Amino acid sequence: GQQVMQIPQYQHVQEGEDFTTYCNSSTTLSNIQWYKQRPGGHPVFLIQLVKSGEVKKQKRLTFQFGEAKKNSSLHITATQTTDVGTYFCAHQRGGGADGLTFGKGTHLIIQP
Amino acid sequence: EPEVTQTPSHQVTQMGQEVILRCVPISNHLYFYWYRQILGQKVEFLVSFYNNEISEKSEIFDDQFSVERPDGSNFTLKIRSTKLEDSAMYFCASSPQGQGAGEQYFGPGTRLTVT
Repeated sequence: GQQVMQIPQYQHVQEGEDFTTYCNSSTTLSNIQWYKQRPGGHPVFLIQLVKSGEVKKQKRLTFQFGEAKKNSSLHITATQTTDVGTYFCAHQRGGGADGLTFGKGTHLIIQP
Repeated sequence: EPEVTQTPSHQVTQMGQEVILRCVPISNHLYFYWYRQILGQKVEFLVSFYNNEISEKSEIFDDQFSVERPDGSNFTLKIRSTKLEDSAMYFCASSPQGQGAGEQYFGPGTRLTVT
């Protein structure tokens, strides 16, 4: 199946600094979804991107889908302690009720 | 706000025993999924279910696994003969729509420990 590679695996930032995680695929993706998982919690849907070059914003979060639909990024401006968690990109191949293929996630650790 | 529920929150079982993990998806959702997450690792897809049958399954979902929707609300995952490597967090998810556009709502998970 289509794998999605995610980097970095861990990111330590000082509170107030920006944070970016990247998701890459060797093949074109029909869509990309982003989920956040708090420590000890479950994945929570953040956004879905389907169009080439798409950019969506949610307050301090900016999501991008590359022009070739092979990569995506999540950028958080001015991190807060509530942003702590693991951010996963995921892809749903389509063709019915397909499951999500997740990246390995980026663990965001914030130092106050 | 509607949410997916799962029981039990933690299940401890001995190797070789059968376990059934239970989920109640969001009531008007049509697509149901099971995922697992070994501690510290990524979330892995197991199986999807639509219209009372399996739609897709991963290579992890071998003959020891089965799913069932015994009534209009519950969705279960059975592991017939558990192995040590089945120890993981198991998440149920549901979605109101399937192909290519489906935000999935995850339950809180069942932590399965096989000893």
